[in-house]
Amino acid sequence: EIVLTQSPGTLSLSPGERATLSCRASQSVTNNFLAWHQLKPGQAPRLLIYGASSRATGIPDRFSGSGSGTDFTLTISRLELEDFAVYYCNLYGSSPRYTFGQGSKLEIK
Amino acid sequence: EVHLVESGGGLVQPGGSLRLSCAASGFTFSAYAMTWVRQAPGKGLEWVAAITGSGDSTYYADSVRGRFTISRDNSKNTLDLQMNTLRAEDTAVYYCAKDTSWRLDYWGQGTLVTVSS
Repeated sequence: EIVLTQSPGTLSLSPGERATLSCRASQSVTNNFLAWHQLKPGQAPRLLIYGASSRATGIPDRFSGSGSGTDFTLTISRLELEDFAVYYCNLYGSSPRYTFGQGSKLEIK
Repeated sequence: EVHLVESGGGLVQPGGSLRLSCAASGFTFSAYAMTWVRQAPGKGLEWVAAITGSGDSTYYADSVRGRFTISRDNSKNTLDLQMNTLRAEDTAVYYCAKDTSWRLDYWGQGTLVTVSS
């Protein structure tokens, strides 16, 4: 089973700044079935990025994903107030079907 | 527009049972696998179970296998999760999600299950 480790646990930034969140896999991800989701309290989670770098429908272009192998990154180029949330990376596999990282909280500085 | 609405959460005693439902709209329900994911208080996301579009195949996390059963009714566009022998550690918000077989592209808002005496 592949384990996903996210860093940092919490990132404190100001609106307008650039956010970089990391997701490291314990083994090389050969199929790039790596996604990023955004969670806000009381709201439905939202898919941001899939296939490591493809933006999901309706996701602003300030969100971008990159990486391959064991290291993946979610970048938010210019933070807006609505972007402060918890972010999870997520991998599709065989068993278990989906694995999640432990989450990174993006908070307002 | 894809819409997923969970229901059925509540307070249940340890050892008890609960059945969650997810009503889906805005897409061809039978064409897609569906998944349940949960988030315990203060914890991260945990995949729970999945079912193929036809309902012929089901998949479970080790933590719930043998206690939970995922099912679907494609004539009613509904997804269910029957939870038996509930434990305190099953306390969580349960989300249903549309599963394209390698990404969870739409989620519901979740329903809270509390297992406590």
